[in-house]
Amino acid sequence: EAQVTQNPRYLITVTGKKLTVTCSQNMNHEYMSWYRQDPGLGLRQIYYSMNVEVTDKGDVPEGYKVSRKEKRNFPLILESPSPNQTSLYFCASSPDGRELFFGEGSRLTVL
Amino acid sequence: DQQVKQNSPSLSVQEGRISILNCDYTNSMFDYFLWYKKYPAEGPTFLISISSIKDKNEDGRFTVFLNKSAKHLSLHIVPSQPGDSAVYFCAASAGRYGNKLVFGAGTILRVKS
Repeated sequence: EAQVTQNPRYLITVTGKKLTVTCSQNMNHEYMSWYRQDPGLGLRQIYYSMNVEVTDKGDVPEGYKVSRKEKRNFPLILESPSPNQTSLYFCASSPDGRELFFGEGSRLTVL
Repeated sequence: DQQVKQNSPSLSVQEGRISILNCDYTNSMFDYFLWYKKYPAEGPTFLISISSIKDKNEDGRFTVFLNKSAKHLSLHIVPSQPGDSAVYFCAASAGRYGNKLVFGAGTILRVKS
């Protein structure tokens, strides 16, 4: 089954404690992206990657890092999480950067 | 500065009637538009798209209309069904490889039976 898998689905952490949200896709897509969803703001792009070892900033990259060492994986790293990073996060992959296939989301709370 | 705006946070429609969801954009470089649908506790799923060279695209009960001069697109659902109750996001991209997909804030559609 074609899918994008994110882990963890739910996480409560404290300010400053580094965390990683993993994302893996099995559709051999070159394009992958991370979004955060906040009330009234819709989906905002954090980072995207057009291929292995190629990443670029989206609209809200501050406080986040990504890496793309393999085609299937695109982890999101929060080096020092802060409460304003409390949000619902979605990873997506795509054959063309337009029609996105999303994961089920990771709800992160930073206390 | 929101380049893609969905001005109606919510919409309530009776089952069997038409649902019309609206979206406005400001960037004239946008040349491809998409609608995504999202159920609670799930990721968004692609619904329908339209290129700027067209003014209408139809897929079953779903039709998207594009008015380039007004920088406006709309999604029509006919007839509406209770299973259509979800959040609908409008999105737009510029350029052939849409690395910059910009989303609206979403509209919650409730279809009452």
